[in-house]
Amino acid sequence: GQSLEQPSEVTAVEGAIVQINCTYQTSGFYGLSWYQQHDGGAPTFLSYNALDGLEETGRFSSFLSRSDSYGYLLLQELQMKDSASYFCAVLNRDDKIIFGKGTRLHILP
Amino acid sequence: DTEVTQTPKHLVMGMTNKKSLKCEQHMGHRAMYWYKQKAKKPPELMFVYSYEKLSINESVPSRFSPECPNSSLLNLHLHALQPEDSALYLCASSQTGTGKTGYTFGSGTRLTVV
Repeated sequence: GQSLEQPSEVTAVEGAIVQINCTYQTSGFYGLSWYQQHDGGAPTFLSYNALDGLEETGRFSSFLSRSDSYGYLLLQELQMKDSASYFCAVLNRDDKIIFGKGTRLHILP
Repeated sequence: DTEVTQTPKHLVMGMTNKKSLKCEQHMGHRAMYWYKQKAKKPPELMFVYSYEKLSINESVPSRFSPECPNSSLLNLHLHALQPEDSALYLCASSQTGTGKTGYTFGSGTRLTVV
């Protein structure tokens, strides 16, 4: 089977930096994606890592360590609009994306 | 056009009704997906269409019947649903069918079965 673990909730202060971790177990791993979903909205693609290392896209960065089956999403200069749920998602050789349970990010002013 | 459009946005149906959910994209994506999402839960994969052919069915009950009339359209036919089928139904598409460039999701149909 396959499983993904990420914290259920994280709280941070506006302007700060926050890291959301994800560990996974899966067969035929291709890569790790991150999606953002606001309440009542659709999931929005943020990033994809297939190789070890850090990918940066503006205020958001994503990291992958294939040997550790671990990744994280780093959000910098937090803004109130970043309050949302963040899902890590594994792409496997069956060409399926399986989502983790999601991390609810609360941002305090 | 960089959107996936789903209709209707909201649907209430009885357990004996037949209804259809519709999804449309004009980005030239050749893979399309149906996901089901319950409140405060992650999206769960239901079906995958690749080049208009059903490639993955995640053991979904037969009361859900997908259809892909062409490369731009995806339907989900609903019949004899149960109250526990109430959820947000999300359609998505992807460019390569591998998820590397990410899925583009529609805003979903919020379904209530009464």
